[in-house]
Amino acid sequence: GDSVTQMEGPVTLSEEAFLTINCTYTATGYPSLFWYVQYPGEGLQLLLKATKADDKGSNKGFEATYRKETTSFHLEKGSVQVSDSAVYFCALSDQQAGTALIFGKGTTLSVSS
Amino acid sequence: DAGITQSPRHKVTETGTPVTLRCHQTENHRYMYWYRQDPGHGLRLIHYSYGVKDTDKGEVSDGYSVSRSKTEDFLLTLESATSSQTSVYFCAVSGDSPLHFGNGTRLTVT
Repeated sequence: GDSVTQMEGPVTLSEEAFLTINCTYTATGYPSLFWYVQYPGEGLQLLLKATKADDKGSNKGFEATYRKETTSFHLEKGSVQVSDSAVYFCALSDQQAGTALIFGKGTTLSVSS
Repeated sequence: DAGITQSPRHKVTETGTPVTLRCHQTENHRYMYWYRQDPGHGLRLIHYSYGVKDTDKGEVSDGYSVSRSKTEDFLLTLESATSSQTSVYFCAVSGDSPLHFGNGTRLTVT
């Protein structure tokens, strides 16, 4: 079945460093792709999305490009802040369960000043 | 938070007891979902609903049942809780993608 694989964490960076969190997917159709972020003690919030190949999602300085040829949707940010410390989840639309999403295992990002 | 309220926020219960978690939404979304979050597993879909009285199983539905008698409420029941059901449970809603999540219920089964 469809699945998402994202890089293991934790990722530890200094403030203003460049961030990449890798995400690859396996899907039989043409799913939409998403990045969600979870801050401590909270639910998941949508960070960005892309609905078709070569689309770039962006929000709050984060970007990810839907690459069909490499089945990837890597999350990047040019200069991280301490406030970006959170758990990041890559997800794809589950084409067999309504509008449900299939999630990766999550990557914890810790940014120090 | 898309008007999603989960209750209770925290619960400790004993093995073998029944437990019901509630998800309430105020925005009339058609689809509602229950996920569980566990370290090393990310979020996994338990059950979902596509309308009143219309539900279906997700990836990890064993040991769980759900009911949706009103558009705004989606209940998750553990008929006889086990320690393996200790987890954080998230409700989500969607009229169209993407999903919006509640703040979760932390359930501990002792």
